[in-house]
Amino acid sequence: GESVGLHLPTLSVQEGDNSIINCAYSNSASDYFIWYKQESGKGPQFIIDIRSNMDKRQGQRVTVLLNKTVKHLSLQIAATQPGDSAVYFCAEIEGAQKLVFGQGTRLTINP
Amino acid sequence: DVKVTQSSRYLVKRTGEKVFLECVQDMDHENMFWYRQDPGLGLRLIYFSYDVKMKEKGDIPEGYSVSREKKERFSLILESASTNQTSMYLCASSLQGAEAFFGQGTRLTVV
Repeated sequence: GESVGLHLPTLSVQEGDNSIINCAYSNSASDYFIWYKQESGKGPQFIIDIRSNMDKRQGQRVTVLLNKTVKHLSLQIAATQPGDSAVYFCAEIEGAQKLVFGQGTRLTINP
Repeated sequence: DVKVTQSSRYLVKRTGEKVFLECVQDMDHENMFWYRQDPGLGLRLIYFSYDVKMKEKGDIPEGYSVSREKKERFSLILESASTNQTSMYLCASSLQGAEAFFGQGTRLTVV
């Protein structure tokens, strides 16, 4: 069946560097994508979203890029800080209601 | 701020018990979701509801049922708990076509 997936389960970066977390999706009908951050012991928290009529969206220190041609989504975190350590999930909304998640990438920050 | 409240952070139940996990949201959201989260498997959708008394099966509904008698409350029921239902359970709510907000999670252990 169609699903949302992630390329890498873990990512380790140096503090201050930029982080890039990737996500592949297979449902070409999806038109809304969301990135979530989950810290230890907490539920996922919304970071940023993007709709399929956009290629790029920027927030505070975060940028989401959408490449519909290759069905690829990425989350870029600028100047990574220790507080960015978490598991990051991409998710898509199917049929305006059902929210489907990928497996997640654990981001670890090295001092 | 949106608040999604799960009734318990930690639960320990015996095999064969009937278990109720309760979730309440205070933002008049139409959609509510129950996920389970296991290491390496990400968030898997158990059931979701897009209106009062309406429910849809997610990807892993077996062994679970749900109830939505009021818009703000969505209950997950384990009819006869088994050890393979030991997991972190996450509730979420959303407006139609918008990002979901999550509760803190309930860590259920079935012994």
